[in-house]
Amino acid sequence: QKEVEQDPGPLSVPEGAIVSLNCTYSNSAFQYFMWYRQYSRKGPELLMYTYSSGNKEDGRFTAQVDKSSKYISLFIRDSQPSDSATYLCAPAGGTSYGKLTFGQGTILTVHP
Amino acid sequence: DTEVTQTPKHLVMGMTNKKSLKCEQHMGHRAMYWYKQKAKKPPELMFVYSYEKLSINESVPSRFSPECPNSSLLNLHLHALQPEDSALYLCASSQILRGTNTGELFFGEGSRLTVL
Repeated sequence: QKEVEQDPGPLSVPEGAIVSLNCTYSNSAFQYFMWYRQYSRKGPELLMYTYSSGNKEDGRFTAQVDKSSKYISLFIRDSQPSDSATYLCAPAGGTSYGKLTFGQGTILTVHP
Repeated sequence: DTEVTQTPKHLVMGMTNKKSLKCEQHMGHRAMYWYKQKAKKPPELMFVYSYEKLSINESVPSRFSPECPNSSLLNLHLHALQPEDSALYLCASSQILRGTNTGELFFGEGSRLTVL
């Protein structure tokens, strides 16, 4: 079993749709949960950062972490064509090295 | 614009060449990373430097040689590479607070390497 599982998609939605992206993980030591967005031919950029369980909202984006079920979600409301990118979940343990374990990445296309 | 700057953006080299990739950040971060990313795959960790010391080497072949001259700079020296080493090489940095690295990485835009 991989340490982090993420459906690679691709996922195609119409503009304005609510998008749900999900990951599961197996390592109970993970305490920090990141979502990165990567546009084609660019480096990943940090989109959301959550510590432990709970929800975090930032504009149209909401990150959810359920540590009891080891489930991570990212919701995008009112999706826009500019949201078209690959979304990578990345849980991490509180080590001094910051070693991230990336999910496979979900390719999202939002069409007008 | 990313605050982690990588040069060159593109590099083509032969299998006998020696080249270097460079990375610079001025955010005061004390952890710096090299990742390798193949098409349609997530980034794979290669090396981590913490306080300018190599702290993680993910069993990377010796034809890749990292160097951290100071807290702002990170190099990756390349020698005798293979065509399968062609990939996007990403540099990243993060803060270390009270001895803990939260994993909040800031990536550069990458150096796209082609080995002929």
